[in-house]
Amino acid sequence: GQQLNQSPQSMFIQEGEDVSMNCTSSSIFNTWLWYKQDPGEGPVLLIALYKAGELTSNGRLTAQFGITRKDSFLNISASIPSDVGIYFCAGLYQYNFNKFYFGSGTKLNVKP
Amino acid sequence: DAGITQSPRHKVTETGTPVTLRCHQTENHRYMYWYRQDPGHGLRLIHYSYGVKDTDKGEVSDGYSVSRSKTEDFLLTLESATSSQTSVYFCAISESRPGGEEQYFGPGTRLTVT
Repeated sequence: GQQLNQSPQSMFIQEGEDVSMNCTSSSIFNTWLWYKQDPGEGPVLLIALYKAGELTSNGRLTAQFGITRKDSFLNISASIPSDVGIYFCAGLYQYNFNKFYFGSGTKLNVKP
Repeated sequence: DAGITQSPRHKVTETGTPVTLRCHQTENHRYMYWYRQDPGHGLRLIHYSYGVKDTDKGEVSDGYSVSRSKTEDFLLTLESATSSQTSVYFCAISESRPGGEEQYFGPGTRLTVT
């Protein structure tokens, strides 16, 4: 199947710092999604991206759909303790309609 | 929040017994999915459905079967549970719409096979 490489695997940051994470693929995707998962819960959709170059914000979160359509980035500004969790990217492969592929996740730790 | 429920939320069962997990949606979405999540493997697709009675295999389908007799329900059956099927199982739904697709997850079922 399609591989999504998500980095970094984990991050330890201080409250107030900005965070960046990214996902790359060897194949073209036509939709990128970013999720957050808290312990014991299902992933929650944060941002959806549909066009190459698109930049979308959701509060302190900003995500971008890469121009090549093979990557996506998520930034969190001014992190707070409740940002702790695992962040996943997901891509919809254009030749496998409605079958999503997932990155392995970035575990974010925020120190107050 | 998308209207997705999973039952049971927790289950402990013995090796060799059949187990059925249920996913129910109130969104009338066409596509439904079953994933398993394990440390070091992330989310892996077991089976998915693209309509009533229309299903297909994902990347880790061995030992699992699914059924979808109504739009709102998608059942996952472990025919004879094994310890390697101890995992957290997530149901998800999505719909094609102009502009793009979004996928929403249920709360998960934690299954332990002893």
